[in-house]
Amino acid sequence: GAGVSQSPRYKVAKRGQDVALRCDPISGHVSLFWYQQALGQGPEFLTYFQNEAQLDKSGLPSDRFFAERPEGSVSTLKIQRTQQEDSAVYLCASSLAPRGNNSPLHFGNGTRLTVT
Amino acid sequence: QKEVEQDPGPLSVPEGAIVSLNCTYSNSAFQYFMWYRQYSRKGPELLMYTYSSGNKEDGRFTAQVDKSSKYISLFIRDSQPSDSATYLCAMTTPGTASKLTFGTGTRLQVTL
Repeated sequence: GAGVSQSPRYKVAKRGQDVALRCDPISGHVSLFWYQQALGQGPEFLTYFQNEAQLDKSGLPSDRFFAERPEGSVSTLKIQRTQQEDSAVYLCASSLAPRGNNSPLHFGNGTRLTVT
Repeated sequence: QKEVEQDPGPLSVPEGAIVSLNCTYSNSAFQYFMWYRQYSRKGPELLMYTYSSGNKEDGRFTAQVDKSSKYISLFIRDSQPSDSATYLCAMTTPGTASKLTFGTGTRLQVTL
């Protein structure tokens, strides 16, 4: 595809519901990242995949957050038992190189999650 | 205290002005520095990338890094209304892929 695609663009969930956010990275991109951006803040790292392997999940705020990329392409971020503090924009980004500091990140437009 | 500090603004300038955006950081392990532009309800897009102290120029944009002072800047010359956006600085350490640490972002408004 032309860029990183995320769906849905907007999600409203009632507190306690589970949600699943999808990311389609650029075809062929090895690395995939999830970031969380609260209102008025910069994005904060959540987790990183190289192909299907989740190599870093140090940014996941709690065990309610789970991410997967089973075939090394599409990724899903799942949040269980959502809380109001989970309200944020969830950004997915991909890059061509594995662990490549010289490989730029391409971001999707994010999923805006609102927990009521 | 955050690892990366950035004035959130908003910063309002007239069209044609030179804009200066800045970030300071505390972690001396940061070696790679980036500036992203984020329009409302869009994802960040990479503007500039540098890994050494000094200046890097790309069109109307100049990125400046001073590792000794832990200070980075982005200059925009001949600013245009289309430059109105939030500008995010980001940085990372070697060997951490693109696990970026972002600043808060500065909201810039360029007026006619």
